[in-house]
Amino acid sequence: ETGVTQSPTHLIKTRGQQVTLRCSSQSGHNTVSWYQQALGQGPQFIFQYYREEENGRGNFPPRFSGLQFPNYSSELNVNALELDDSALYLCASSWTSGSGVDTQYFGPGTRLTVL
Amino acid sequence: AQSVTQLGSHVSVSEGALVLLRCNYSSSVPPYLFWYVQYPNQGLQLLLKYTSAATLVKGINGFEAEFKKSETSFHLTKPSAHMSDAAEYFCAVSALTGAGGTSYGKLTFGQGTILTVHP
Repeated sequence: ETGVTQSPTHLIKTRGQQVTLRCSSQSGHNTVSWYQQALGQGPQFIFQYYREEENGRGNFPPRFSGLQFPNYSSELNVNALELDDSALYLCASSWTSGSGVDTQYFGPGTRLTVL
Repeated sequence: AQSVTQLGSHVSVSEGALVLLRCNYSSSVPPYLFWYVQYPNQGLQLLLKYTSAATLVKGINGFEAEFKKSETSFHLTKPSAHMSDAAEYFCAVSALTGAGGTSYGKLTFGQGTILTVHP
């Protein structure tokens, strides 16, 4: 059973640029959630994808967008990067059973630095 | 709405001593509670979870946590600390939320507690 993987590991961008981060779900999982973890903070929920559709969103602007593919892998896209977007971006996968809250398993994260 | 408060951003213990990391939550619905551990430059690893079954939950690496509804707490303990326990620990709460017939379980995390273990 493979775990959650993310790419790239590290990324450096400049303000105003666009970035795409990628995530492969753990085998057998059908749901992907994305979190932003600023330095010294707990992770903040960005959004969740289930069956290729956004299924919940946190308090993040529309320039944060995502996709989920038929194989349940996912992308996080951020447009018009700002300095405050510098953070560790975590992807978590889970199996949505339809009853109760499901456990989310996290990938190693992508460290994004915006200069 | 849900929130988590972790009391103490830094906790320091000696090797072999009791580890106690405090977590209090707020939730308008019955909560699911989690503890995750994060080692430097790594993602989050699940330690244990409470999902309304037994109130005392045992996790990996000798950790356990007790759900106390009256105190809205979910403190993490380990009887004897090991050097390898040094890491940052996050408490998180989740519940099904959403509208229009859909629901999803997002995690709301505390600010984290950095555990240092001295020889």
